[in-house]
Amino acid sequence: GAGVSQSPRYKVAKRGQDVALRCDPISGHVSLFWYQQALGQGPEFLTYFQNEAQLDKSGLPSDRFFAERPEGSVSTLKIQRTQQEDSAVYLCASSSTGPALYFGPGTRLTVT
Amino acid sequence: DAKTTQPNSMESNEEEPVHLPCNHSTISGTDYIHWYRQLPSQGPEYVIHGLTSNVNNRMASLAIAEDRKSSTLILHRATLRDAAVYYCILRHQTGANNLFFGTGTRLTVIP
Repeated sequence: GAGVSQSPRYKVAKRGQDVALRCDPISGHVSLFWYQQALGQGPEFLTYFQNEAQLDKSGLPSDRFFAERPEGSVSTLKIQRTQQEDSAVYLCASSSTGPALYFGPGTRLTVT
Repeated sequence: DAKTTQPNSMESNEEEPVHLPCNHSTISGTDYIHWYRQLPSQGPEYVIHGLTSNVNNRMASLAIAEDRKSSTLILHRATLRDAAVYYCILRHQTGANNLFFGTGTRLTVIP
């Protein structure tokens, strides 16, 4: 079956621009996660949704980062006024009742 | 979440077994041990998990020490496609569902 998909796969933004990153989870998966992965580092947790409810946003680095999942399926991570330190791969993952998180391929954001 | 310690890198010859160690001395009784791997330019992929007993699946085996302060991921026959970063993660049974990754072990498979 289809896995988690993310779009775009690559995004180049000028410093100060707003960006929106999309995640399509596996159909029927209740839980959705966003992670940020800097070069050479492991993924770092950003935020977690259960259906449409954002239950944990403790990992969002600043108020420029905003995530939503209005209908409990597709999610969007928005970054306002991008800075160079926002350059990273943004990973989305979904899960159901089992132990595994299923990750998408990520969106590589480069802020110039 | 309790912390895990892994070697930064390891090498293995192709078609030989690989033992990837992980120390987790502060593990609690309800922490599960999860392993994920990340191939180049891909998202992490679930490998295996366990609580107390050793576990086997089609991808790997997980050997858990009797005191649960360490564990070992075993790839029985390394292939070039197993070259990846392997992450050992503790996930609390009743905690949040998110996973906390460290920096993992980069496995190089030598042909």
